[in-house]
Amino acid sequence: GENVEQHPSTLSVQEGDSAVIKCTYSDSASNYFPWYKQELGKGPQLIIDIRSNVGEKKDQRIAVTLNKTAKHFSLHITETQPEDSAVYFCAAIGGTASKLTFGTGTRLQVTL
Amino acid sequence: DAGVIQSPRHEVTEMGQEVTLRCKPISGHNSLFWYRQTMMRGLELLIYFNNNVPIDDSGMPEDRFSAKMPNASFSTLKIQPSEPRDSAVYFCASSSGGGYYEQYFGPGTRLTVT
Repeated sequence: GENVEQHPSTLSVQEGDSAVIKCTYSDSASNYFPWYKQELGKGPQLIIDIRSNVGEKKDQRIAVTLNKTAKHFSLHITETQPEDSAVYFCAAIGGTASKLTFGTGTRLQVTL
Repeated sequence: DAGVIQSPRHEVTEMGQEVTLRCKPISGHNSLFWYRQTMMRGLELLIYFNNNVPIDDSGMPEDRFSAKMPNASFSTLKIQPSEPRDSAVYFCASSSGGGYYEQYFGPGTRLTVT
């Protein structure tokens, strides 16, 4: 099955700085990589996703990059704001009848 | 546009009691997922329905757990009898297109079994 590792587990940045969260996956057949943001007391919110036929995708201040050869993908948040503070989860899926496998999460804190 | 709706938001019950969690998926979505989230195990898929039919229930922990989807707009997750180790946040998610892609999560039900 798929195994997704996520680093770092916690990340503290100053407002305005960039934040990068990295994930690696094990199944070379994986073809879909979403990122979720979970605020305290709420459900995970899909913020961006990328498919294996694309190397990079941007949506305003967030971007995701995918390196299929190395089997890793990253979330980049630029110009961080206090409301970006949350736990971020990466996930991967692909192959036949596989499940969405989540990373262990990164707690991002944006300080003033 | 309403998102995934779950009820109750919080449930406290005693060991041995029956617990029923409810979910209304996003209108038009034909796939529904139940997840459990704990600090120790993270997010775990319990069961996946497509067009109201259970496709993958391999994540259901044991026979005490059961899930139904009688129609496209409603699903239940039942635990009978409940145990303290079932304490967790249970999420329902839905997606369109009949697969695991682009899942949208509900706010969750925090279950505490004493």
